[in-house]
Amino acid sequence: DAKTTQPNSMESNEEEPVHLPCNHSTISGTDYIHWYRQLPSQGPEYVIHGLTSNVNNRMASLAIAEDRKSSTLILHRATLRDAAVYYCILLNAGKSTFGDGTTLTVKP
Amino acid sequence: DTAVSQTPKYLVTQMGNDKSIKCEQNLGHDTMYWYKQDSKKFLKIMFSYNNKELIINETVPNRFSPKSPDKAHLNLHINSLELGDSAVYFCASSQDVVYFGPGTRLTVL
Repeated sequence: DAKTTQPNSMESNEEEPVHLPCNHSTISGTDYIHWYRQLPSQGPEYVIHGLTSNVNNRMASLAIAEDRKSSTLILHRATLRDAAVYYCILLNAGKSTFGDGTTLTVKP
Repeated sequence: DTAVSQTPKYLVTQMGNDKSIKCEQNLGHDTMYWYKQDSKKFLKIMFSYNNKELIINETVPNRFSPKSPDKAHLNLHINSLELGDSAVYFCASSQDVVYFGPGTRLTVL
């Protein structure tokens, strides 16, 4: 199964942009790149996903490298409520494996 | 209006007991999952069902048996509970995006 690697932790100041990187060098052509986040004591929640093109939604933006071997989740203005563990996963036909994720700390 | 619900939220039991966790989704999704999150927060898929058929069964002890009575339900039964089974168990469903339940924190004493 294709795997993803992310930094264990990152810090950001409130109201500054945050770029969360993810490497997925063994991605296959049909794998979708998904990002989820898990707030303390909650289940993971969907953030954004894409296949080849960059994507924007109300929560974040997803920048996908041209070779699809890496991607970056962009939070345009971090808030204290964005402090969570962010998971980058590859989804294909129901198969998914979550990596360790990146713990994002947002400082006031 | 909860999309994916699971019961109970907390489960405390003795070693050797048998317990079940129930899961229901009202999203009309074809695929449902069970994930285990251990104390190190690593999320690992256990099972995946598509239209009541098992499609993924990761390396999980036989003591864990999923049961899908219909497309909207995927229950998890655990026999002979062990200390190492203590974790948070998440049910999820998907069509393209995965929706997770709130989790069941299982503590085996």
